[in-house]
Amino acid sequence: DGGITQSPKYLFRKEGQNVTLSCEQNLNHDAMYWYRQDPGQGLRLIYYSQIVNDFQKGDIAEGYSVSREKKESFPLTVTSAQKNPTAFYLCASKTSSTDTQYFGPGTRLTVL
Amino acid sequence: DQQVKQNSPSLSVQEGRISILNCDYTNSMFDYFLWYKKYPAEGPTFLISISSIKDKNEDGRFTVFLNKSAKHLSLHIVPSQPGDSAVYFCAAAGGGSNYKLTFGKGTLLTVNP
Repeated sequence: DGGITQSPKYLFRKEGQNVTLSCEQNLNHDAMYWYRQDPGQGLRLIYYSQIVNDFQKGDIAEGYSVSREKKESFPLTVTSAQKNPTAFYLCASKTSSTDTQYFGPGTRLTVL
Repeated sequence: DQQVKQNSPSLSVQEGRISILNCDYTNSMFDYFLWYKKYPAEGPTFLISISSIKDKNEDGRFTVFLNKSAKHLSLHIVPSQPGDSAVYFCAAAGGGSNYKLTFGKGTLLTVNP
């Protein structure tokens, strides 16, 4: 079954700890994206990657880091430098021939 | 500066009636527009899109209209069903970047039985 998976669905961390969110896709999509959703804020772009071993900062990259070592995987690390890490994190992907992005189910991160 | 605006945070309609969700944009370079539907605690689902060379695109109960001169698009849902209750996001592509989407803040649609 093709799709985008994010794990875990819910994640709890103590303040000051780094945490890595997983995103995997088996759609053979070239580009992958990380968004953050906060109440009333819509979707804000954190990082995106157009090809393997390359990625660009989005609108709110501070306190986050990513890697793109494989086409299928685009993990996001929320570092202790991120001031308000509690949010709903969404991963998306698309082919290079379309503008339509397809989203994973999301990870709810709560920092205690 | 918000380039894609959904000025109505919420909309309530009766089952069977038409739902109209609106979206305005400021960047004239946007050339492709999308609507996504999102349930709580789930990822957005792609609904329908329209290219700037068209003014209407229809898919079943969903129709998107684009008015380029007014920089305005709307999503019509006819007839509305209770399962349509969700947050709807408008998104735009282009504007100098072929890889990014710019999203509005969303409109919460509630369809009452």
